Amino acid sequence: DIQMTQSPSSLSASVGDRVTITCRASQGITNSLAWYQHKTGKAPKLLLYAASRLESGVPSRFSGSGSGTDYTLTISSLQPEDFATYFCQQYYSTPPYTFGQGTKLEI
Amino acid sequence: EMQLSESGGGLVQPGGSLRLSCVASGFAFSRYALSWVRQAPGKGLEWVSAISGSADLTYYRDSIKGRFTIARDNSKNTLYLEMGSLRVEDTAVYYCAKIRASVAVVAFHDLWGQGTLVAVSS
Repeated sequence: DIQMTQSPSSLSASVGDRVTITCRASQGITNSLAWYQHKTGKAPKLLLYAASRLESGVPSRFSGSGSGTDYTLTISSLQPEDFATYFCQQYYSTPPYTFGQGTKLEI
Repeated sequence: EMQLSESGGGLVQPGGSLRLSCVASGFAFSRYALSWVRQAPGKGLEWVSAISGSADLTYYRDSIKGRFTIARDNSKNTLYLEMGSLRVEDTAVYYCAKIRASVAVVAFHDLWGQGTLVAVSS
């Protein structure tokens, strides 16, 4: 199975900050990577897919980049509603799909 | 509005069984593959199983093969997860998630439910 290593596991930031979260795959996944936002008690929400494609309705302050095994999620200017846990997921080839361990973004 | 709503969770003893359901609305249910994804307390998300839109292809993670069965009823817009021989380590919130494709291969999840809690304990 492809392992996803996400870092950091937690991050403290302030409104207006720029933050970056990274995911590293154990093998190349040719941009088959999605990012999700998850707030406690709520349904996870798709932010980006294909490493850099913004899901409809997601604010443009969210962006993604990367290639091969290394990918990043960037939030350009944190808003109060962005404080949540973020997960990456690889969907290269057949299941099992695997997720990163998550990054808890706190004020 | 597209929605997924899970139900069927609860407290069960080790070795017991449970059936989860996920009712969908707001999209052409049979056109899309679906997954079950779980999150154990204090842990990250873990993909469990997936099924194609036509239900002819299913996938399972190794740790639940032979114990869990994924199924769907396209006439009822409902996804199921039959869980048997439950273990303490199966304790988690279980989410159903829509895949943006008819087959569960090389695809991501674009809609999630809010989850249902399964607790396995004696």
